[in-house]
Amino acid sequence: SQQGEEDPQALSIQEGENATMNCSYKTSINNLQWYRQNSGRGLVHLILIRSNEREKHSGRLRVTLDTSKKSSSLLITASRAADTASYFCATDVLLVAAGNKLTFGGGTRVLVKP
Amino acid sequence: NAGVMQNPRHLVRRRGQEARLRCSPMKGHSHVYWYRQLPEEGLKFMVYLQKENIIDESGMPKERFSAEFPKEGPSILRIQQVVRGDSAAYFCASSPGRDSEQYFGPGTRLTVT
Repeated sequence: SQQGEEDPQALSIQEGENATMNCSYKTSINNLQWYRQNSGRGLVHLILIRSNEREKHSGRLRVTLDTSKKSSSLLITASRAADTASYFCATDVLLVAAGNKLTFGGGTRVLVKP
Repeated sequence: NAGVMQNPRHLVRRRGQEARLRCSPMKGHSHVYWYRQLPEEGLKFMVYLQKENIIDESGMPKERFSAEFPKEGPSILRIQQVVRGDSAAYFCASSPGRDSEQYFGPGTRLTVT
């Protein structure tokens, strides 16, 4: 699989349900970030979790990171129709000289039905 | 504090023409990144710049593509002699430091006819 690959590729849920998506990566990372993208729009930064952190919360979002399994999960609780979007994880690879270029997965397309 | 600005938002070019995409980072941000997104795919890194310097261009095609971030003014991604395969959304992101969140602009959607 590619660095920063999301699973599932698509998710359809009812409003009020929780949505969980996973991200796997291959190499050691400095941090992992989750972004949301509405159709045809730019990316909105959701959460950054560093390699020495295991869990982070922001409102209805909960992100976990397991560096031993090289995986992360994003949980959206009590979903709303407005949460309909594509969600991407992006890994910031440990590099000595270069900057923190992000490597994105293919995204999870979430549809929240009212 | 305005977010990352990109212009134009939509750009149509015929094959063989040049495309210039502009990115103004957030105030106080000196790190700029360009990414390309093909339909239904994630973003792919192209180039990372700091003021007047290209730090990492490992994701940018060797030919026809160039980027700059001058001391004054926006960062420019330039695509010469565009081909249909260049049609994509090009996103710029900025950050205040190397190990910080990247904030994305709205993107420029390039269509090559």
